[in-house]
Amino acid sequence: NAGVTQTPKFRVLKTGQSMTLLCAQDMNHEYMYWYRQDPGMGLRLIHYSVGEGTTAKGEVPDGYNVSRLKKQNFLLGLESAAPSQTSVYFCASSYKTTGRTIDTQYFGPGTRLTVL
Amino acid sequence: GIQVEQSPPDLILQEGANSTLRCNFSDSVNNLQWFHQNPWGQLINLFYIPSGTKQNGRLSATTVATERYSLLYISSSQTTDSGVYFCAVNRGGTSYGKLTFGQGTILTVHP
Repeated sequence: NAGVTQTPKFRVLKTGQSMTLLCAQDMNHEYMYWYRQDPGMGLRLIHYSVGEGTTAKGEVPDGYNVSRLKKQNFLLGLESAAPSQTSVYFCASSYKTTGRTIDTQYFGPGTRLTVL
Repeated sequence: GIQVEQSPPDLILQEGANSTLRCNFSDSVNNLQWFHQNPWGQLINLFYIPSGTKQNGRLSATTVATERYSLLYISSSQTTDSGVYFCAVNRGGTSYGKLTFGQGTILTVHP
């Protein structure tokens, strides 16, 4: 049981390049999330998904796209990277339990992205 | 949206000391989690505690939902407790578990 995994761990891009970050979870969770963390700040939600084939915008969605083609995977794409997207990106997943709207969110190890 | 404020922003302790971290939130919540981000950047779940009190070893947490605050207690601190502690909340309903994070408390424990 690997929990939540993220690929890659580190990446350096030039302005205007594109890339995709992959998040995978093996806990059969319905909900998945992408957050970014900038220096001295807490995490901010980029996009999220409540199930296979569904996605929605979070607090800071501009410049990113996502897809959830399979329940266990949630992809975050940068079509044209900008220096302002230099950040650490975290993926998380959670499940809905009886009697509660949502339960604990489990986080991946993060991807450190630098855009030059 | 909901506001989350953590205090103090920084805390420096000697090994063996006790500490209390506070999280205030501006609206009712049905999910509150405490996380520890270690020096390598990994986020570790400490507690899921929308109300009540929980304990796990040297750590305990209390959430008073009606007064909109939560406290994280660390007893007999160790150098491995160093890092950033985050409080995060969710309002429930149609918010689908989306967490709003506080700015964090940076804890440094000296040997």
